[in-house]
Amino acid sequence: DTEVTQTPKHLVMGMTNKKSLKCEQHMGHRAMYWYKQKAKKPPELMFVYSYEKLSINESVPSRFSPECPNSSLLNLHLHALQPEDSALYLCASSQEGRGVYGYTFGSGTRLTVV
Amino acid sequence: GQQVMQIPQYQHVQEGEDFTTYCNSSTTLSNIQWYKQRPGGHPVFLIQLVKSGEVKKQKRLTFQFGEAKKNSSLHITATQTTDVGTYFCAGFSGAGSYQLTFGKGTKLSVIP
Repeated sequence: DTEVTQTPKHLVMGMTNKKSLKCEQHMGHRAMYWYKQKAKKPPELMFVYSYEKLSINESVPSRFSPECPNSSLLNLHLHALQPEDSALYLCASSQEGRGVYGYTFGSGTRLTVV
Repeated sequence: GQQVMQIPQYQHVQEGEDFTTYCNSSTTLSNIQWYKQRPGGHPVFLIQLVKSGEVKKQKRLTFQFGEAKKNSSLHITATQTTDVGTYFCAGFSGAGSYQLTFGKGTKLSVIP
């Protein structure tokens, strides 16, 4: 299995909703990442987990809450989002962090906040 | 903080023509990666360059890393319609850094 699987593929949520994005990989990768990508822009790093521990939080608002239940799973909990949070949310993984290996990206969750 | 600049932003080529995108960093990079994102798709890892002056080839794609490890290029020979997409360079600023910084990307359109 050489894929990163993200669910759901599309999500529409209201500003008062609570939802979660899920990411799963079975490649034995020990680093996992959340990126946010707006249209016609490059991916922006949000969070890095290395060996299931949060290593980087790129000053992301607290309405985004990451969770890494085990080495194969990564969640992003969403609460009280704003319309400007609408974007493609990408999960990625790599064998290890620290810039040694290429990243495998999932196909993303396209989020619309209404 | 580290900045990775990429030019051009857009490139339209006739099928069969060559294409090059350039990446420049404000700081020395420990390594650089290249990704391709098809329209409506997700970034796909193409290659990683680590050594100063390194050149790698993948069929019609040639990747170079500058001697000072501050710049890189991707050259595609004889473009095909399947090459359409946005090409991103992405760099790590230092050994042990977790932060992969993406350039703004070059969107390639190929006219059949």
